[in-house]
Amino acid sequence: QKEVEQDPGPLSVPEGAIVSLNCTYSNSAFQYFMWYRQYSRKGPELLMYTYSSGNKEDGRFTAQVDKSSKYISLFIRDSQPSDSATYLCATSNSGNTPLVFGKGTRLSVIA
Amino acid sequence: EADIYQTPRYLVIGTGKKITLECSQTMGHDKMYWYQQDPGMELHLIHYSYGVNSTEKGDLSSESTVSRIRTEHFPLTLESARPSHTSQYLCASSESRRAFFGQGTRLTVV
Repeated sequence: QKEVEQDPGPLSVPEGAIVSLNCTYSNSAFQYFMWYRQYSRKGPELLMYTYSSGNKEDGRFTAQVDKSSKYISLFIRDSQPSDSATYLCATSNSGNTPLVFGKGTRLSVIA
Repeated sequence: EADIYQTPRYLVIGTGKKITLECSQTMGHDKMYWYQQDPGMELHLIHYSYGVNSTEKGDLSSESTVSRIRTEHFPLTLESARPSHTSQYLCASSESRRAFFGQGTRLTVV
């Protein structure tokens, strides 16, 4: 079992929809959670960063962490065609180890 | 905004050639990473460094080598390029577990 599982999609939604992207993880030591957005042929860019459980909101984006169920989510409200990209979840423990990435979910927002 | 630079952006090279992919960051981060990513596929960690003169191999078996002589510079070298090395190579640096990526080098070995 991989440490971080993420449905690769693809996921296609109409413009204006609420998008829910999810990951599950297996290591209870993970405490830091991130979402990255990657446009085609570009490097990933950090979108959201959270520590431990709870919600964090930034504009149309909300990151949610449920450590009890080892489940992390990214919600996109009022989705736009410019949100079409691959979204990768990533996590890390408190030790000195590299980030563990999910496989990424490819999202298409159709105008 | 993250300042991490990779050169070249695109490279087409013949089999057997030695190549070095450059990565530099101006943020003073101690931690730097190299990832390999095929189109539409997941990231694979191939090398990382937690400071000058410190390098480690990642999860993906790789025929590449890295060096870290200066904090800001983390080059990746392929001694003898093969078509199987055709991929995108992404460099990243991090602080407080936030990793920042460069734009990548798309390598094609013919």
